[in-house]
Amino acid sequence: AQTVTQSQPEMSVQEAETVTLSCTYDTSESDYYLFWYKQPPSRQMILVIRQEAYKQQNATENRFSVNFQKAAKSFSLKISDSQLGDAAMYFCAYNQEGGKLIFGQGTELSVKP
Amino acid sequence: AAGVIQSPRHLIKEKRETATLKCYPIPRHDTVYWYQQGPGQDPQFLISFYEKMQSDKGSIPDRFSAQQFSDYHSELNMSSLELGDSALYFCASSRTSGGPRYNEQFFGPGTRLTVL
Repeated sequence: AQTVTQSQPEMSVQEAETVTLSCTYDTSESDYYLFWYKQPPSRQMILVIRQEAYKQQNATENRFSVNFQKAAKSFSLKISDSQLGDAAMYFCAYNQEGGKLIFGQGTELSVKP
Repeated sequence: AAGVIQSPRHLIKEKRETATLKCYPIPRHDTVYWYQQGPGQDPQFLISFYEKMQSDKGSIPDRFSAQQFSDYHSELNMSSLELGDSALYFCASSRTSGGPRYNEQFFGPGTRLTVL
């Protein structure tokens, strides 16, 4: 069975600085997808970024980028120029085409002004 | 743009009562997923439907049932409610057939169920 692990329950970053959230996963599949979701205090689940496993190039969305290491089964999220609005719970998630999302335990990110 | 609609947004029930949660997916989305997020927990997959047929099942209690109707909306029925059922229930939808392979799931705002 596939599993997703986030080993950092809490992280903190100074406003305008850079922070990296870690995620590892376990799967025997070669074709799958990885996601980072943000859950602010409103509890809405917001997709931040996705990565297709067959793509070697790391995904980037504005201030958000990933470091995808397929062999190491690692998928970290880097947030540059952190803003107060980035404070939230971040979940790493895995799925295969058309399938359910398997989430990690989450990392609570706080941003200090 | 249209989003996933869930109703009600908040629901308070007593133990042993029954609850029905509704989900209206984004138009032209053919797949619906239900997730349960307990306090301080990550979302856990319950069940999914593709074209009105159950496509996958997770750790859903036997007291829960769900279905997807001809208009693609879905309902999660929960009977004999227990205190431990108190959670945020998310519905998500995606366009599996004819959509992108990465199968992006769009989440609704969730229904917060409190069992007293």
